[in-house]
Parts: sequence; C-alpha cells; structure tokens
Amino acid sequence: AQSVTQPDIHITVSEGASLELRCNYSYGATPYLFWYVQSPGQGLQLLLKYFSGDTLVQGIKGFEAEFKRSQSSFNLRKPSVHWSDAAEYFCAVASQGFGNEKLTFGTGTRLTIIP
Amino acid sequence: ETGVTQTPRHLVMGMTNKKSLKCEQHLGHNAMYWYKQSAKKPLELMFVYSLEERVENNSVPSRFSPECPNSSHLFLHLHTLQPEDSALYLCASSQGTGGSETQYFGPGTRLLVL
Repeated sequence: AQSVTQPDIHITVSEGASLELRCNYSYGATPYLFWYVQSPGQGLQLLLKYFSGDTLVQGIKGFEAEFKRSQSSFNLRKPSVHWSDAAEYFCAVASQGFGNEKLTFGTGTRLTIIP
Repeated sequence: ETGVTQTPRHLVMGMTNKKSLKCEQHLGHNAMYWYKQSAKKPLELMFVYSLEERVENNSVPSRFSPECPNSSHLFLHLHTLQPEDSALYLCASSQGTGGSETQYFGPGTRLLVL
C-alpha cells in the first residue's frame, strides 16, 4: 500500500528566507505526486504535481518540487517566502492507474512565517 | 459560484440530531469525494462517487450516509454521531478517478458534536 511521510510537523521561517518541506513516499513503482496547500479556514489548493519526465516541477506561487527516485522523496522548495505563505502543506501520492485510484496524504507540515 | 462550495461552513450538533452537509461543484466534473480531516491525522477518504455511482466506501460507520443525486451535488447525512466525529469535513471533485486527476477541494464544514 502507498504511504506518505512528512517528517516535519511545524517549521518556522523568516520572511524572505528560503524554504524546503520534506516528503517521502512509499510505493512500488513511480507514483503520481502532489503538493497541496491549505490556508486557515480554506480547503486544499494544488500547488504542483509530478507525473513523469523532468524531475523538477514548477508550481504556482513560486513553489517548485524535485522528484528523487533514489531517495523516494518529493521535497517542496521556495527561494524566498512571503508572509502569505503561512499555511499547512500536504504531500500526497496516487498510483498510476486510470480508475478509482486513491490519493493518500501525509499528515501535513504547518509553516509559520516570522517578520 | 465557482469551484467547489460547501454548506454549512460550521455546524454544532448533539449526538441525537440528524443533519446534512451539502457540497456542490461548478467545474463539470464527474467524480466527487468526502474526506474527514482531524487534527494531527492525514486526510481520511470516506466516500467516492463517479458518475453518481458510489465506487469507494472506506469502512465508514453507517451513521454517515452519503448521497449523490447528480454529478454536481453531494450530500453527507449525519445521524447519532459521536464526539470523536468532530472534525473538518472536506468535499472534493475531479474530472475522473484516475491517479493523475487533480482533486479540487471545497472550504470544508467544521463539525462539532456535543
């Protein structure tokens, strides 16, 4: 069965500093990988996703993520965070099927931005 | 209205009450989902509907009863809930149910069971 681990429950970063959120997955083959963001009182919004090809994926709001098969990782990065990036971030994995494929989420990383 | 909407946004109910959560998607999608989000736990998939047919029931207690009258609307009927059912209930939709499909989420209903 597929699974996702986000080892950092809470991260605090200064505004303007760089950010990296960690995600490790467990799956027998190359999965589909997603990063979602949830702002307070909101639902989840897709930041980016990886299916195949270039292992560096660009997303919205200046985020990017890199798929590393050898490390079973899909870490999210941003070179310079803004106060509006404070939110909860979820990594998710889905199997490469065409019907009734379950999206499995990690427990999330809460990001706090300090001035 | 755009995207996925959910009503009500907040709900407080007693254990003997009956209430319903409503979800509506304005994206023309064919699949809809209910998730439960509890503190410090991963999102738990509850139900999946594809073309109005239930395709996933993730061992959810019978006190939760979903209904999908058409591809745009999804309900979650609640009765005799327990305090541990207090959580954020999220609805999502996607074009299909393949692994590559992006799911679009509503803002959720914050449920408190007293």
